[in-house]
Amino acid sequence: AQTVTQSQPEMSVQEAETVTLSCTYDTSESDYYLFWYKQPPSRQMILVIRQEAYKQQNATENRFSVNFQKAAKSFSLKISDSQLGDAAMYFCAYRRGNSGGGADGLTFGKGTHLIIQP
Amino acid sequence: DTEVTQTPKHLVMGMTNKKSLKCEQHMGHRAMYWYKQKAKKPPELMFVYSYEKLSINESVPSRFSPECPNSSLLNLHLHALQPEDSALYLCASSQRDFSYNEQFFGPGTRLTVL
Repeated sequence: AQTVTQSQPEMSVQEAETVTLSCTYDTSESDYYLFWYKQPPSRQMILVIRQEAYKQQNATENRFSVNFQKAAKSFSLKISDSQLGDAAMYFCAYRRGNSGGGADGLTFGKGTHLIIQP
Repeated sequence: DTEVTQTPKHLVMGMTNKKSLKCEQHMGHRAMYWYKQKAKKPPELMFVYSYEKLSINESVPSRFSPECPNSSLLNLHLHALQPEDSALYLCASSQRDFSYNEQFFGPGTRLTVL
């Protein structure tokens, strides 16, 4: 079974600075997808960024980018120019490829609580 | 419209009550999900409906009963719950139940079982 580990329960960063959230995973699959979801306090969980395992190029979405190291099974999230609105719980998630039709959806890590200091 | 709505926002029920949670989306998605999220924990998948066909997480107790009346609507029927079932129940939908599809989450229903 796959596992997702986020070793930082909480991170704090000054506004406008850069912060990196860590995520490692364990799987025997070669085809899978990795996601970072953001859950602000009392608000909906939203997708931040997605990475296909077969792609070597790291995904980027505006201020958010990932460092995907497939051999090391590492998938960190870098947030540049941190803003107050980035404060949230960030979950790293895994889903094996072609898993549609079964009850083996997203596997989440325990989350990292990101605090933005003004 | 990229919104998943859930009602009610909060629910308090006794262990002998029967209640239902409702989830709705109008994005034309054909996959819908129920997750359970305990405080300070990640969401855990309970059920998946893909094209209105159910897949169950075998560890979910039978006191939770999902229903998908149509592709836009998802219910979770609750009966004889236990205090440890108190949690945030999240509904999500995606275009298809494919691994790469983004899941859109609702705001959740916070359930308290007395």
